[in-house]
Amino acid sequence: EAGVVQSPRYKIIEKKQPVAFWCNPISGHNTLYWYLQNLGQGPELLIRYENEEAVDDSQLPKDRFSAERLKGVDSTLKIQPAELGDSAVYLCASSTAGGNEQFFGPGTRLTVL
Amino acid sequence: KQEVTQIPAALSVPEGENLVLNCSFTDSAIYNLQWFRQDPGKGLTSLLLIQSSQREQTSGRLNASLDKSSGRSTLYIAASQPGDSATYLCAVSSRGTGNQFYFGTGTSLTVIP
Repeated sequence: EAGVVQSPRYKIIEKKQPVAFWCNPISGHNTLYWYLQNLGQGPELLIRYENEEAVDDSQLPKDRFSAERLKGVDSTLKIQPAELGDSAVYLCASSTAGGNEQFFGPGTRLTVL
Repeated sequence: KQEVTQIPAALSVPEGENLVLNCSFTDSAIYNLQWFRQDPGKGLTSLLLIQSSQREQTSGRLNASLDKSSGRSTLYIAASQPGDSATYLCAVSSRGTGNQFYFGTGTSLTVIP
């Protein structure tokens, strides 16, 4: 069984440019999470989806970040425009339901110059 | 908001030693507790999930315990090996926040051959 797939693995952009990350969860997992992880820190939740509905996006900086999960399967996280402080690893995870065992993808390492 | 703390932040042990990693949380109304390992530049790998009704879980040389009343969990690693070197993260899902997961900052483990 395939795990959580993320792309790209690495992305380098200049500040003020847009960037998008893609995630395909494990088949059958209704809950999808986007996390941000800074160096030396644990992941912090950005947004959680139950099927196609965003049920928790309180920590998503909505002035520059957006996310979508059309058809309740794969998801895209976008930043526009990117700032230097957005440099981090963006992790996607999925589970069968909220609070159940999470499975993570390899992450996307973003560097903003 | 759930606060998760992991002590120590870093640990170095000789190969073959048994060791204990600690995780504490502030809100005992949890749904699940999950232990992960993270290798440098990689995503998170699930090790063990303990449901709130359980006291412990075991997988191979790993044993995780949960004491909700004291807000603590421990991860016991028996007969440590150099391949166990990684960062170990604890995550707690809180009932009060829709089963959202909160992460500690991790314990960086080095097993010396």
